This record gives sequence, C-alpha cells and structure tokens, in this order.
Amino acid sequence: GESVGLHLPTLSVQEGDNSIINCAYSNSASDYFIWYKQESGKGPQFIIDIRSNMDKRQGQRVTVLLNKTVKHLSLQIAATQPGDSAVYFCAENLANAGCTSYGKLTFGQGTILTVHP
Amino acid sequence: KAGVTQTPRYLIKTRGQQVTLSCSPISGHRSVSWYQQTPGQGLQFLFEYFSETQRNKGNFPGRFSGRQFSNSRSEMNVSTLELGDSALYLCASSNILAGEGKNIQYFGAGTRLSVL
Repeated sequence: GESVGLHLPTLSVQEGDNSIINCAYSNSASDYFIWYKQESGKGPQFIIDIRSNMDKRQGQRVTVLLNKTVKHLSLQIAATQPGDSAVYFCAENLANAGCTSYGKLTFGQGTILTVHP
Repeated sequence: KAGVTQTPRYLIKTRGQQVTLSCSPISGHRSVSWYQQTPGQGLQFLFEYFSETQRNKGNFPGRFSGRQFSNSRSEMNVSTLELGDSALYLCASSNILAGEGKNIQYFGAGTRLSVL
C-alpha cells in the first residue's frame, strides 16, 4: 500500500516570543538526551544535551527540561528569532549501558518551528 | 576544525544498482554512525563503527552495509537498490566521552539518494 508520511507537529510563533517544543521519549532506560535543529538542506545541528541525573540545563537562549517520571523532554527557546525556524528533534541514548549502545541515537519525529517576523 | 564531510551530496541511481557513500569524521573522532532520513520514517539508525569495528546495528536488511578505515573515515554501501531506499543518508561522528556519559554526535549535511 501507499506509505504515509509523518505528520510533524508544528509550532508557529512571533519573533520575540518564547517557544516550547515538547518530546515524549520511548525508553525508560535512556540516560542521555540531545536536542537537534535541522534546517532545510542541512544535517541536524547540536543544540543542547542533558543527562538523566539532571532535570534542567540551560544554554544560550535555550533550556532543556527532563521529566523522567513521564518520559518527557522539552526545549525552551527564549526570544525566538526568524533564524530559529527549523525542524527540532529530540534524541535519546543509553550512554552508560555499555559501549555497544554509544553510537545509537533514537530520534523523535520532530517538530516544525516557524517564526514570523 | 572541519566538520563532518559527506560525499557525494546528491546521487541518482536506478533500481538494482549499488551505491557507496563516503563520510569523513571530525578530526580525532573515532565513532561514526549512519542514519537514514525519510519523510515516512523520520531519522532511523543504520549502524555505528568504532575503531574499524561495527558495534551497533539498526533494523535494516543486509543490503545495507558499511565499513570504517584506520583513519576513521567510513563508507556505507547499499546493494540491489530499491525505490524505497530513496532518502537522505546522514553520517555523524562522535568523540564519545564515556566517563561523562555523553555521546554528542555531529552530523554532516548528508547524501541525498534518489532511486529511479
């Protein structure tokens, strides 16, 4: 049969607003999480990471929150700019489960962020 | 430092052919992972190489294979191409910080493969 493409969640904001992008991860044993930004025609670009022994981590204009109880991650972008428009992916890894798991990231479906000037 | 370099950027092949994609990791990175990205399935892990050994493999058929050279450069090969193999193939390298439990993977721009 015909394959159906993923219907990515979308978030549309005005320039200067704060954005919150959510992600539900799949494996309760995952202990390391990364947010990536992918612009059209480019590969995913690292934004920020967090280990499972933390529940919050801040970077420049970005904050990641981790709720292990409900297996939920969020990425907050402050003062969103048009250059932030992209697809955002969360990824999970079992970084401490042994070397055989290091190289494998499991990605979420992604969220399309559109920032209007 | 130069980033992850993938060649070629674009490829057009026909069904039944085989293809080889190349990836040069960031200097000093010894782990190279490959991913397939399609509109239907998103980003899916293919395999990972470290010190010329495949350490981890995703759920792809045996037509998908790879290797890593002593300089950490990696290639992936797809044999007997099918229409469904059309995708963006991404390579990522990592300087795994095992003691910190971190695995930041840095991605190349990808190779866009179209199978006709």
